[in-house]
Amino acid sequence: DTAVSQTPKYLVTQMGNDKSIKCEQNLGHDTMYWYKQDSKKFLKIMFSYNNKELIINETVPNRFSPKSPDKAHLNLHINSLELGDSAVYFCASSQDVGGHTGELFFGEGSRLTVL
Amino acid sequence: AQSVTQLDSQVPVFEEAPVELRCNYSSSVSVYLFWYVQYPNQGLQLLLKYLSGSTLVESINGFEAEFNKSQTSFHLRKPSVHISDTAEYFCAVRTQGAQKLVFGQGTRLTINP
Repeated sequence: DTAVSQTPKYLVTQMGNDKSIKCEQNLGHDTMYWYKQDSKKFLKIMFSYNNKELIINETVPNRFSPKSPDKAHLNLHINSLELGDSAVYFCASSQDVGGHTGELFFGEGSRLTVL
Repeated sequence: AQSVTQLDSQVPVFEEAPVELRCNYSSSVSVYLFWYVQYPNQGLQLLLKYLSGSTLVESINGFEAEFNKSQTSFHLRKPSVHISDTAEYFCAVRTQGAQKLVFGQGTRLTINP
């Protein structure tokens, strides 16, 4: 069974469209994250939720809206997609806030391509 | 705020040669340090971590890293690499009390036969 699963794995869409990426973890963790990895492999945190509450919200355009219906799910909705949104988006989870033990569990990534 | 610098974007080595991937961090308070590995088309996996105690930490697949507070470094080493070690390696830091993990830019390790 996959611990952190994201769907879809690949997403190709046109500029201006709205799309969502879903994430689910079956590890019983309280904290979930979205990271963006650009074409140069640089990883930057976007959001973090702890028990359905937003705790980290980096400088991200408000076109990006995370939603956590329960602590096992963290979805990412993106409005009015732009070329610069093309990246691999990783979902992750940890047992506690900030991953104190160091163990962030990552999904396999969702590669978004905006044309 | 904390930051992490990985000094080499790419490191090519021959199989069975030793390797060192360099990582320096910047923080005014105590830190927790990590190395993650990303194999092609996969997510990141924790390789090893330093939280406290012994400054030399090891992974199950032969990698080790040493926390050097005076040099603010956490370099990753392996005495003899294998083709299967080909991957992107990320150093990460979290300061005490901070909520987020900050990653370095990554180092691509390429093993040549």
